Amino acid sequence: EPEVTQTPSHQVTQMGQEVILRCVPISNHLYFYWYRQILGQKVEFLVSFYNNEISEKSEIFDDQFSVERPDGSNFTLKIRSTKLEDSAMYFCASSTDRAKNIQYFGAGTRLSVL
Amino acid sequence: QQQVKQSPQSLIVQKGGISIINCAYENTAFDYFPWYQQFPGKGPALLIAIRPDVSEKKEGRFTISFNKSAKQFSLHIMDSQPGDSATYFCAAQGGAQKLVFGQGTRLTINP
Repeated sequence: EPEVTQTPSHQVTQMGQEVILRCVPISNHLYFYWYRQILGQKVEFLVSFYNNEISEKSEIFDDQFSVERPDGSNFTLKIRSTKLEDSAMYFCASSTDRAKNIQYFGAGTRLSVL
Repeated sequence: QQQVKQSPQSLIVQKGGISIINCAYENTAFDYFPWYQQFPGKGPALLIAIRPDVSEKKEGRFTISFNKSAKQFSLHIMDSQPGDSATYFCAAQGGAQKLVFGQGTRLTINP
């Protein structure tokens, strides 16, 4: 069964460093998303991406964040200068089309900012 | 208005019992209401979903009940099993595509 793949599973970084979280969405999907989940809290939307541009972003997704689809398969989330409060699980999701709505999630990357 | 409120935060049910988790929303633009199941260390996985044109949807032991006028929906797990122990999130989605999640319910099924 096709699945969304995220790497690495765990990323440890020092405050102020840049991190790139990587995702390989399901191959025929067109819509891509990043969400985050701070430990013990709910899943929060960060950004959605379609047709090589951001279609929506939340107030969490400030200038420190960026997304990119550098080739036909990868979808990345970059945090330019990490803060302690960026420590969370980051989930990538993809969906085939807007009408069906179904978003499939990866297993996540746990980001620990020290 | 974008919030989805979920209760209870945690729930303990005996094996074979019925687990019920409730959610409420405010935004009438929401038109898709999925439930996600999450096991420790894993991403959320779609369990079952409903659109507001029906009041109930059943898939195996899982049923969503939807009350459009009250802006509430609930997940019922019949004959709950220890393997159902997980965190359950309700969510809502409108034309903006993003999923708005509830706070989550940690469900424990005692054998």
